[in-house]
Formats: sequence, C-alpha cells, structure tokens
Amino acid sequence: DTGVSQNPRHKITKRGQNVTFRCDPISEHNRLYWYRQTLGQGPEFLTYFQNEAQLEKSRLLSDRFSAERPKGSFSTLEIQRTEQGDSAMYLCASSSSRAQYFGPGTRLLVL
Amino acid sequence: DAKTTQPTSMDCAEGRAANLPCNHSTISGNEYVYWYRQIHSQGPQYIIHGLKNNETNEMASLIITEDRKSSTLILPHATLRDTAVYYCIVARGNTDKLIFGTGTRLQVFP
Repeated sequence: DTGVSQNPRHKITKRGQNVTFRCDPISEHNRLYWYRQTLGQGPEFLTYFQNEAQLEKSRLLSDRFSAERPKGSFSTLEIQRTEQGDSAMYLCASSSSRAQYFGPGTRLLVL
Repeated sequence: DAKTTQPTSMDCAEGRAANLPCNHSTISGNEYVYWYRQIHSQGPQYIIHGLKNNETNEMASLIITEDRKSSTLILPHATLRDTAVYYCIVARGNTDKLIFGTGTRLQVFP
C-alpha cells in the first residue's frame, strides 16, 4: 500500500504523560499536514511542512505540542504533559499537485 | 471558519443518484472547490476538485455554477458503502490548509 500511514492507530495514556505519533507520507509528496478531529466535528488544521521546513502553525498548537519532519520524509507529532482535552483523532495528510491525501489517523484517549 | 454551507444530512436510495449541494458565495477567484468524504472512524478521502469547469472522475461528478457561488457533488449510483460525511471545502490549491465545516451526513438506504 503506497498511501499515508500513521502509527500507532490507537493510544491510551494517563494525564500528564508524553505521547508521540508518527506519519509516513506518500513517498513523492513534499508537503505534509497535521490535523486534529474531535467527536462530531470536522478536522482542524494544526501545522504544515514543506520538506523539512515547518511553514505554518495553528493557534490550536499550544506549546505542549511539537512537530518535526527532520529529513523531509516522515513526521512526528509530540504532545507533552497530556490533558484530557487532547483526546481526539490526529490525522496526517500529504499532498501532491492534485490534493491532500489523508492517513487513517491516530486515536488518542487521555484518562 | 469554513467558507461553505451544506445541509446537515441527506438520504438517498441505493442505486439512485445522490446530489449533494454546497454554497460558497464568498469564494475567491483563485480558490478551488474540493470534496472529501469520511466514513466512520477513517481518515477523510479525497473525491474530486474543480476551479470553474465541471469535473468528472471514477468516483463522482462536480457541477460548479457559472458564478461559482455554489456547487453540487453527484454520486451517480449510490451504494451502501457511500454512507459517509461529505465535506465541501474551498481552498487555494494543494498548498493551502483545508478548513472543514461539519459536512453533510449522507445515509444511503436499501
């Protein structure tokens, strides 16, 4: 399968713990996006990379959140000191000249 | 905020055409209309996009009005697997972040 992959698919953690998610984009795509989706809502933009450069960050991305794309290929999203309000689906997308293509998401539950 | 307005929900009989409307009256000249859908617990799936001409692919057709203030996504022969939330989004192209609204929940029934 040559689509966008995300790991893990599910994560349960206790409040205050740190978590890290990984996204592997479609190989020839140089743009990579992170979104967050809570129950009943559409996805919300978090941040965007072109190659290894992080070009835009949403105000939703508090200082507890950090994203990296060190070699312009895979990306990681880390949440430090998780809070119950961080419980959501975290989606990654990569884009070509046509459109953004999404991965299956990582569902985070903070207890 | 999302720049589009869609009905909250729609029903369609299996085998019939599903016509999903979207209003985007404030669309700019350099913005495209994108359609995505999201089946329960999965990531959004790209369907189709267009600038001002009508577009068709293996999944759907997109009809954009001449003034570009509204569009309709057409699924020609809906199946039960087309049951999903459909999002209409305007964006400046593949580099732009996507701003999702709450979409239209399409229920296809037997």
